Amino acid sequence: QVQLQESGPGLVKPSQALSLTCTVSGDPITSGDYYWSWIRQPPGKGLEWLGNIYHRGSTSYNPSLKSRVSISMDTSKNEFSLKLSSVTAADTAVYFCARLGGMLAFDKWGQGAPVTVSS
Amino acid sequence: QSALTQPPSASGSPGQSVTISCTGSASDIGTYTRVSWYQQPPGKAPTLIIYDVVKRPSGVPDRFSASKSGNTASLTVSGLQAEDEADYYCASYAGSNTYVFGTGTKVSVL
Repeated sequence: QVQLQESGPGLVKPSQALSLTCTVSGDPITSGDYYWSWIRQPPGKGLEWLGNIYHRGSTSYNPSLKSRVSISMDTSKNEFSLKLSSVTAADTAVYFCARLGGMLAFDKWGQGAPVTVSS
Repeated sequence: QSALTQPPSASGSPGQSVTISCTGSASDIGTYTRVSWYQQPPGKAPTLIIYDVVKRPSGVPDRFSASKSGNTASLTVSGLQAEDEADYYCASYAGSNTYVFGTGTKVSVL
């Protein structure tokens, strides 16, 4: 049973970079035809897709955030990471990592990591 | 890339049915059959309940059904139960390996 777990700082200062890691357990991140994704949810608001990475290294990002977001992968640690630069209070959210299955649906989710942007 | 539009809330009594709409555009729902739905109980992570417009993952009750017509997808929850009270989100593939979520609907069981 694949499980995902987010980790990283819960507080980030404005203008700095937000960095989170998603550790995948139960299956190699390189197995199967999966993409690995980041999704966020501001307090009291809806879900926003941030981007995907494929185990062969290709990435895709939400056009509205493309200049600030970067997703990378470390297959030796079975994890993938999110970096969001130049954060503001509007980036305060719960950040979820998720697996995008072959049916192009997010079939496995982490529990979510709350991140607050504040000085 | 604009969020898909859902009604903010929907409600029904136990045993009744509730239907949630999800309106997109020709750039997402109107072109692709990769529409999915998620259930998010308060304070928890979302879980997948519908994929490929109408398919249910193993373990999801058949009380959950879905459809699509044109630029609009719909989710119906039949035989409402107290445990169905949650936020529901649609999502669609939007081309060029990008995805878009709906604005979310809070379902209340009266």
